[in-house]
Amino acid sequence: ELQLVESGGGLVQPGGSLRLSCAASGFTFSTSWMTWVRQAPGKGLEWVANIKGDGSEKNYLDSVEGRFTISRDNAENSLYLQMNSLRADDTAVYYCAKEGPYSAAHWGQGTLVTVSS
Amino acid sequence: QSALTQPPSVSGSPGQSVTISCTGTSSDVGSYNRVSWYQQPPGTAPKLMIYEVTNRPSGVPDRFSGSKSGNTASLTISGLQAEDEAVYYCSSYRSRSTYVFGTGTMVTVL
Repeated sequence: ELQLVESGGGLVQPGGSLRLSCAASGFTFSTSWMTWVRQAPGKGLEWVANIKGDGSEKNYLDSVEGRFTISRDNAENSLYLQMNSLRADDTAVYYCAKEGPYSAAHWGQGTLVTVSS
Repeated sequence: QSALTQPPSVSGSPGQSVTISCTGTSSDVGSYNRVSWYQQPPGTAPKLMIYEVTNRPSGVPDRFSGSKSGNTASLTISGLQAEDEAVYYCSSYRSRSTYVFGTGTMVTVL
């Protein structure tokens, strides 16, 4: 069974850093594009970043480029999102997802990131 | 990176049909047959309902169908059921492997 489990969320002060992880199982992780999507409290979905199976291509939402870094460890079947210089408007539930044909086909349960002093 | 535009809410009685629109631009919806739709009941993660405009993943009822004309995509739910009550989001490919989501539509079953 395909499973995605996010972890690493929590409370962080503005300007701080946090690293999210997503443990994947039940599919061939190393050949799969993976995506991070976030949802601010009471708001809609926002695509954040994605990464090709071999890690050779990475793409970012304009507002996080230069602050966030997506990466993966195919030996550990894990996806990461390093978030630096965090701002209040980065507060959201962060979901990892396995991409399907031009879509986010399978989602994790999400991890909450709160940026507040 | 502006979001795609969806109506805030639509509603219908059980058994009726409802259609949700998703309006983008010639840079996203209008240029690619790469529109997907997601269902998100309260407090849960989103679920893929439609991909590449018209395709349903395994397990999604055929009551859900998608279409596209120009810069606007649509999701139609036929034979509306109580379990269909949720927020629905569209999404489109937008070049260089990036994506954009819609603003979301609350579907209420009366």
